[in-house]
Amino acid sequence: GQQLNQSPQSMFIQEGEDVSMNCTSSSIFNTWLWYKQDPGEGPVLLIALYKAGELTSNGRLTAQFGITRKDSFLNISASIPSDVGIYFCAGPNNAGNMLTFGGGTRLMVKP
Amino acid sequence: AAGVIQSPRHLIKEKRETATLKCYPIPRHDTVYWYQQGPGQDPQFLISFYEKMQSDKGSIPDRFSAQQFSDYHSELNMSSLELGDSALYFCASSLRGRAREQFFGPGTRLTVL
Repeated sequence: GQQLNQSPQSMFIQEGEDVSMNCTSSSIFNTWLWYKQDPGEGPVLLIALYKAGELTSNGRLTAQFGITRKDSFLNISASIPSDVGIYFCAGPNNAGNMLTFGGGTRLMVKP
Repeated sequence: AAGVIQSPRHLIKEKRETATLKCYPIPRHDTVYWYQQGPGQDPQFLISFYEKMQSDKGSIPDRFSAQQFSDYHSELNMSSLELGDSALYFCASSLRGRAREQFFGPGTRLTVL
């Protein structure tokens, strides 16, 4: 099946710093999704990317859909304590019936 | 706006017992997905339903079954529970074929003792 490799697994940064994480796949995805999950809660969609090369922003978050359709990155600028959580990349299968998730990046922000 | 509702939020069971988790999708969403997330793991797809029919199946154990009802709510039935079934179980909903636009519920935390 499709697999998504996400890196880094965890990051511990100072408040105000910028953050970058990425996701790669051995197969092509037609959509890339980035979710954030707070402890004990469900994933919340942050950004959806639908076209190769697409660069999309949502506030301090920016994500790009790689040209090869096999990778994506998420940047967070000027991090704040509430950015703490686990960030997952995800992609739907071709039939659009399910999502495959990356392993997640655990972000910790020191005030 | 209304979100996906899951009940119960927390459930504690003994080994070999059964459990039923419920999911109420966002109004007008006709497709429901179930995911299992073990401690420190990413969500793993279990099964999905559209119009009461199973539309896709992932790594769901034979001890688990699920169904979708005419009002689109879904139930995940888990029998002969094992310690390894302890996890967060998420339900998500979307319009048909729009897995990329699925919204997740808050999850049910199942603990098997």
